[in-house]
Amino acid sequence: EDQVTQSPEALRLQEGESSSLNCSYTVSGLRGLFWYRQDPGKGPEFLFTLYSAGEEKEKERLKATLTKKESFLHITAPKPEDSATYLCAVDSSYKLIFGSGTRLLVRP
Amino acid sequence: DTGVSQDPRHKITKRGQNVTFRCDPISEHNRLYWYRQTLGQGPEFLTYFQNEAQLEKSRLLSDRFSAERPKGSFSTLEIQRTEQGDSAMYLCASSFVPGLTPGEQFFGPGTRLTVL
Repeated sequence: EDQVTQSPEALRLQEGESSSLNCSYTVSGLRGLFWYRQDPGKGPEFLFTLYSAGEEKEKERLKATLTKKESFLHITAPKPEDSATYLCAVDSSYKLIFGSGTRLLVRP
Repeated sequence: DTGVSQDPRHKITKRGQNVTFRCDPISEHNRLYWYRQTLGQGPEFLTYFQNEAQLEKSRLLSDRFSAERPKGSFSTLEIQRTEQGDSAMYLCASSFVPGLTPGEQFFGPGTRLTVL
């Protein structure tokens, strides 16, 4: 059964303090790993798609990387506006299987 | 705004009542998904449509749940005889295949259901 596990559940950072979020996955035939951002009371917002081990994608202070078993979302010099829940998902027969997310709080 | 819209945004109902939610996807998108999200969890897949055809339903979708997408445009999700365990955020998402990758889905703001 396809499965996604994210860690940590919650992360508190000071503004400017870089860190990484982890997403471990088990899937029969990876068709894509996806990162989404979700703000309170809103639907998830698409950030990145990764397809193969070694692939990297960047957007502003975020960089996503992929290995055969894990993906990392690196946050460099975060700002308070980066505070959100970050969700990882895999494509499982054209539907998304999500992890439970990492709640990130960046303090000024 | 041409994003995914959902109506209503909030619904409070009593146990045993029926409720219906509506989702309007991005107009050119041919795939429409329904997910359910409870506090502290990621969204869980419920069902999806390609145009008007319902292609897959999750085991989570009991007999009390039904979804339709007449004419391949908007979709409705109905829950009959609601239970307190149905309280959750119901999210709709849309995508265009081929073109966008199936996982690049555009989500609506959700409908928060509270069953008393």
